[in-house]
Amino acid sequence: SYVLTQPPSVSEAPGKTARITCGGQNIGSKSVHWYQQKPGQAPVVVICYDSDRPSGIPERFSGSNSGNTATLTISRVEAGDEADYYCQVWDSSSDHPVFGGGTKLTVL
Amino acid sequence: QVQLQESGPGLVKPSQTLSLTCSVSGGSITSGSYYWSWIRQPAGEGLEWIGRIFTSGSTTYNPSLKSRVTISVDTSKNQFSLKLTSVTAADTAVYYCARVKVSNSGFYFDYWGQGTLVTVSS
Repeated sequence: SYVLTQPPSVSEAPGKTARITCGGQNIGSKSVHWYQQKPGQAPVVVICYDSDRPSGIPERFSGSNSGNTATLTISRVEAGDEADYYCQVWDSSSDHPVFGGGTKLTVL
Repeated sequence: QVQLQESGPGLVKPSQTLSLTCSVSGGSITSGSYYWSWIRQPAGEGLEWIGRIFTSGSTTYNPSLKSRVTISVDTSKNQFSLKLTSVTAADTAVYYCARVKVSNSGFYFDYWGQGTLVTVSS
């Protein structure tokens, strides 16, 4: 089955740029979606279809996807961005979604 | 604005059946190209997809849970439901219902319920 690999944690100082990666075999051929989950809350999609931002998501959030790695980039990181972030693809061979293990973003 | 709300018992005894319902408001469950899905998250862990249903009744389940899971839909009530049989402590988790946006470019979860904690304990 298809596997997505994320680093368990990423730390960045306020105002800097945080990058969270999501690795998978030939992930560049798939659509990648990113979710933000704050403690005690449901996940919220912040990037869909590799790089699209849903309505209401700040422009500071962006995404890219190529080769074996997709990346969520958060510019000008704020304390409010501290959360767990999950990548997700739909595995067409099994016809079900696959989530990465999640990355905890800490704002220093 | 679509809203989803899970409901059901918060405590289930081992070997019994977990039953949850997701009520959809702000739009008809039959409109548009959407699946309806259940996802769970044990405390401190990641997201695990349980399964999905289309309003036609067509279902797909996570192979690891397939033998114990049934997802059904009641379009007249704008609801869909989850049953998980023979539960153990390993099934203790927050259970989310979610809408799956379907397109030729891929599927993703665009709306989520707030989640409901289900504890399996005697």
